[in-house]
Amino acid sequence: GENVEQHPSTLSVQEGDSAVIKCTYSDSASNYFPWYKQELGKRPQLIIDIRSNVGEKKDQRIAVTLNKTAKHFSLHITETQPEDSAVYFCAASIWGSTLGRLYFGRGTQLTVWP
Amino acid sequence: DAGVTQSPTHLIKTRGQQVTLRCSPISGHKSVSWYQQVLGQGPQFIFQYYEKEERGRGNFPDRFSARQFPNYSSELNVNALLLGDSALYLCASSPGLAGQETQYFGPGTRLLVL
Repeated sequence: GENVEQHPSTLSVQEGDSAVIKCTYSDSASNYFPWYKQELGKRPQLIIDIRSNVGEKKDQRIAVTLNKTAKHFSLHITETQPEDSAVYFCAASIWGSTLGRLYFGRGTQLTVWP
Repeated sequence: DAGVTQSPTHLIKTRGQQVTLRCSPISGHKSVSWYQQVLGQGPQFIFQYYEKEERGRGNFPDRFSARQFPNYSSELNVNALLLGDSALYLCASSPGLAGQETQYFGPGTRLLVL
């Protein structure tokens, strides 16, 4: 099955700096890569996703890049704010399948210091 | 628009007991997936149901079972609880097949097995 590796496990940045979280996946059939943000005690919330027919997607301060050849994708957060502090999970799946099972990374605890 | 709801929010059980967790999907959503999130790790896929039929099962023992009702709500049952079953159990819903739609997570049920 699919194996998703996520790095780093913890990341501390100063407010206003950029943060980058990287993930790799093993199954070349995976073509859908969502990112979820989970604040302490709350549900995982989808913040951005990308499909393999595009290499980059942006939504205001967040962006995701995908390198399908190398089987890795990254989350970029610019101008970080204290409210960006949370655990971020990457995931991989096969869009278009009947199952849609999400394979998650182990998460990155992002702390943004004011 | 109400999101995915789960009950109870917290639960304490002892080893050997049985537990039933409940999930109500977003109105109009027909697919429900269950995930187990052990502390410090990403969610792991347990089951997916669509139109009241099991569409997929993760690598979990037969002690775990689930069902989906005509109103698309779902129950997850775990028998003969082990200490290792302590986790946050997340439910996710999507309008159609999970492999073809974005999945939205509920707040989870935190299960502690003593």
